[in-house]
Amino acid sequence: KNEVEQSPQNLTAQEGEFITINCSYSVGISALHWLQQHPGGGIVSLFMLSSGKKKHGRLIATINIQEKHSSLHITASHPRDSAVYICAVSARNYGQNFVFGPGTRLSVLP
Amino acid sequence: EAQVTQNPRYLITVTGKKLTVTCSQNMNHEYMSWYRQDPGLGLRQIYYSMNVEVTDKGDVPEGYKVSRKEKRNFPLILESPSPNQTSLYFCASSFGVGETQYFGPGTRLLVL
Repeated sequence: KNEVEQSPQNLTAQEGEFITINCSYSVGISALHWLQQHPGGGIVSLFMLSSGKKKHGRLIATINIQEKHSSLHITASHPRDSAVYICAVSARNYGQNFVFGPGTRLSVLP
Repeated sequence: EAQVTQNPRYLITVTGKKLTVTCSQNMNHEYMSWYRQDPGLGLRQIYYSMNVEVTDKGDVPEGYKVSRKEKRNFPLILESPSPNQTSLYFCASSFGVGETQYFGPGTRLLVL
């Protein structure tokens, strides 16, 4: 399934920069999730969104349901933010199971 | 501590030798799922379970079996592993389907 796309595929930033990762999807969804996968492999859920905007520390996630688009922003980026960020959607079309995007690999340099 | 545990974390085996990867959660979650992650293909769902004794196929179920006899456990069984099942496997759980999922630490499997 290519129903969830992310851009960019890879991103390198300097410490302190503002970062944006984008996710677009093709079907009506129940919710969109942002996940973080650290170099060691573990996966952590960051946000679950069905509308509007959520903020947690330096991370902000927004979603535009009409445009079928979400963004994950990282303010004042830090090397510890280096990870793969994965967008996933749950939708009635998929029995509410997750469909994952390909991930965005972020490297933040000191 | 709320967590999802998987065992083993690393496994090297040979073609055809049956193996089981265990998954257990202590959050009383109803929904559990198995995923595999491969370079260039991302995360793909193998099987999922809505509740005890209720399981269903995901996108890539061939070569795998699961069971859900107790709410906390959801083992993944490879009855005759093949090299194309070499992958990184994740178990995850949530209160309900589509809700925030909690992932296990992953199991790296190499089938020779």
